[in-house]
Amino acid sequence: GENVEQHPSTLSVQEGDSAVIKCTYSDSASNYFPWYKQELGKGPQLIIDIRSNVGEKKDQRIAVTLNKTAKHFSLHITETQPEDSAVYFCAAGDTNTGNQFYFGTGTSLTVIP
Amino acid sequence: SAVISQKPSRDICQRGTSLTIQCQVDSQVTMMFWYRQQPGQSLTLIATANQGSEATYESGFVIDKFPISRPNLTFSTLTVSNMSPEDSSIYLCSVGGAGGFAYNEQFFGPGTRLTVL
Repeated sequence: GENVEQHPSTLSVQEGDSAVIKCTYSDSASNYFPWYKQELGKGPQLIIDIRSNVGEKKDQRIAVTLNKTAKHFSLHITETQPEDSAVYFCAAGDTNTGNQFYFGTGTSLTVIP
Repeated sequence: SAVISQKPSRDICQRGTSLTIQCQVDSQVTMMFWYRQQPGQSLTLIATANQGSEATYESGFVIDKFPISRPNLTFSTLTVSNMSPEDSSIYLCSVGGAGGFAYNEQFFGPGTRLTVL
């Protein structure tokens, strides 16, 4: 089955700096890669996703890149703000075999004002 | 996206008892999923609940321990049976599929925080 690894497990940045979270996956059949933000006491919130036919996707301060050859994808947050502080999860799934997602282990991001 | 609610939001239960968690969505959805998130850990899929058919369980999860119902396209329940302290976790439902979502997008409910004493 799919194995998703995520790094780093914790990340602290100064407000206004950029944050980068990286994930690798093992199953070359995976073709859908969402990112979730989970705030304390809440369910995960989908913030951006990318499909395997695209190398990069951007939504305001958030961007995701995908390298299919190397089987890794990354989340980039620019101009970080204190409200970006949360746990971020990457996931990978194969749309051809169903909607099952395999999640990374999470990154706790702290943005220091 | 969808508005997803779960009941209860949290509960404290005695070992050996069972708890049924409800998940309600504000629109009809093809697929509903149940996940477990142990304290400080990632999300693990328990099962996929499809309307009109038996739930599909992932390795390590069995129907006797986690029976699931899916009576219609907006509602599902997960029961945690014969609980032990190891079942203390956050249980999350998610939805995806038809109903205005892009294929494969999944949206999560707020979760049910379960503590077993």
